[in-house]
Amino acid sequence: DQQVKQNSPSLSVQEGRISILNCDYTNSMFDYFLWYKKYPAEGPTFLISISSIKDKNEDGRFTVFLNKSAKHLSLHIVPSQPGDSAVYFCAASNNFNKFYFGSGTKLNVKP
Amino acid sequence: DVKVTQSSRYLVKRTGEKVFLECVQDMDHENMFWYRQDPGLGLRLIYFSYDVKMKEKGDIPEGYSVSREKKERFSLILESASTNQTSMYLCASSSRRSRANVLTFGAGSRLTVL
Repeated sequence: DQQVKQNSPSLSVQEGRISILNCDYTNSMFDYFLWYKKYPAEGPTFLISISSIKDKNEDGRFTVFLNKSAKHLSLHIVPSQPGDSAVYFCAASNNFNKFYFGSGTKLNVKP
Repeated sequence: DVKVTQSSRYLVKRTGEKVFLECVQDMDHENMFWYRQDPGLGLRLIYFSYDVKMKEKGDIPEGYSVSREKKERFSLILESASTNQTSMYLCASSSRRSRANVLTFGAGSRLTVL
């Protein structure tokens, strides 16, 4: 059973608007969460992370929100750009040595 | 620029063949991982290694083995390839020394088993 779930396989957003990607997890022991971005024919690249002691982490246009009681995290991209079009994976860990990944959300930012 | 390098980007093999996927990292990382990526399933962990000659099974180890004889190199072995092992294989590494532990991935090896 998947411990990290991304229930939206795809998302389409107009350039300049906000993109919101969602992720749910089941294991309350997870204490570290990451988002990765993947372009076709490339490996995933790290985007942003958040520790369970925080509920928000911001890096430029990217903000990750963590709701521990709901076991939910989200990635906000504002403003969205065509170059943000990629597959986004969320991942969770509870010991820094093993990460569990969601199935990914394909974001398409339309010019 | 730090890197995880996977030796083969594309491979085509026949059922029953033995397949080696090689991965090398130049970051002196202790941890190395092999994942496979399939549509709708995301990244699933096959094996990982904490140190030289150490290995641990991930979530889907059946049909695979690994070798870590040197710190920088982690090999994935398919003893007898089958068509259901057609997939994108991703190697990653990470450091235990960093509190902000992040996986660094290679570009991937796309394996097709006919």
